[in-house]
Amino acid sequence: SQQGEEDPQALSIQEGENATMNCSYKTSINNLQWYRQNSGRGLVHLILIRSNEREKHSGRLRVTLDTSKKSSSLLITASRAADTASYFCATIYQGGKLIFGQGTELSVKP
Amino acid sequence: EPEVTQTPSHQVTQMGQEVILRCVPISNHLYFYWYRQILGQKVEFLVSFYNNEISEKSEIFDDQFSVERPDGSNFTLKIRSTKLEDSAMYFCASSERHGGEQYFGPGTRLTVT
Repeated sequence: SQQGEEDPQALSIQEGENATMNCSYKTSINNLQWYRQNSGRGLVHLILIRSNEREKHSGRLRVTLDTSKKSSSLLITASRAADTASYFCATIYQGGKLIFGQGTELSVKP
Repeated sequence: EPEVTQTPSHQVTQMGQEVILRCVPISNHLYFYWYRQILGQKVEFLVSFYNNEISEKSEIFDDQFSVERPDGSNFTLKIRSTKLEDSAMYFCASSERHGGEQYFGPGTRLTVT
């Protein structure tokens, strides 16, 4: 089974708009993490939300977690062209490994 | 700010050759990981390493793969006899505690010809 499936697969918005990406997972989790990847580059950790948390903020990022629906969302407010990247959610599986979804490719047009 | 580093950034090798990918995790981190990403696909877990031994490995991590922490700073991934399908970006990651944030290196692009 797959963990951390994101939707939409691709999202194109104008600078200044908000971008919302969703993630669903299948098994129970201890925490869920969001990462960003610029084209051809490494993964940058954005935010970790624990299973007993419902919402977390970091700058222009807002992450929510609904464990009853096994889903999470990442909201980027007031997007900038520099936010253009792929965004992945990842769930921690036993042993500490991260299971990544396919990601959402975000394009922010100036 | 401390970061995970990886060398080389790009490695080209012929099928059947051995490659060693190197990583220097963040110095106070205890948990180490290798992941790979085939072009256009999702990031896949390969192996986790703690206390000088493998904690977990995926189905991808077969007998052709091995990991080592030869000294206090380096963490290596060896592919004994590369195949065309091993071509991918290989990412090293480390974390301070079990289940915590994992910090990724910039990756090594491996091309097998």
